[in-house]
Amino acid sequence: DTEVTQTPKHLVMGMTNKKSLKCEQHMGHRAMYWYKQKAKKPPELMFVYSYEKLSINESVPSRFSPECPNSSLLNLHLHALQPEDSALYLCASSQDPGAGNTIYFGEGSWLTVV
Amino acid sequence: AQSVTQPDIHITVSEGASLELRCNYSYGATPYLFWYVQSPGQGLQLLLKYFSGDTLVQGIKGFEAEFKRSQSSFNLRKPSVHWSDAAEYFCAVGARGSYIPTFGRGTSLIVHP
Repeated sequence: DTEVTQTPKHLVMGMTNKKSLKCEQHMGHRAMYWYKQKAKKPPELMFVYSYEKLSINESVPSRFSPECPNSSLLNLHLHALQPEDSALYLCASSQDPGAGNTIYFGEGSWLTVV
Repeated sequence: AQSVTQPDIHITVSEGASLELRCNYSYGATPYLFWYVQSPGQGLQLLLKYFSGDTLVQGIKGFEAEFKRSQSSFNLRKPSVHWSDAAEYFCAVGARGSYIPTFGRGTSLIVHP
């Protein structure tokens, strides 16, 4: 069972709002990822958590704040976003942060910033 | 650093026809190679992967891919396409020293009835 669950599936927020995207996996994976994907583009890596510690931040603006409360959960806190941040946000996980491990993706959360 | 090229932005095939999607990579050693599919409004689903060994890899949904070191390619094939195969297909390459794959720009598959 390779399942990564993301909520909400759709989110509309104003530029002054604070909201969060949530991700959960119960595969025992120790690496978790946030990707951003614009229409007709490949996913772009934002953050990687390895064993619940932030290991990669791809120069993402501070209005995006990741959090890994435990090994199964990953959140992305959103504050003061811009309309250009509207995109599909994909959570993913892999068994561990080892080279070649397959990354499994969730269905994504569609974010619209108005 | 590794890179990956998917030369075709769009591919149109008729239902029942065969399919080949191209993927070329640049990397100094044998990379890890992946094909993912993304249906409209969905996340990415792994079709197949190559790490080592047999260069012809079988995946889900009747797909296969062949690693050709001499051509730096990892093309995806299917003998008979179904309408439900219409989707975006991403090739990804991972370096042996990194666990973050690099994705190609994607190829959009259109299936005509």
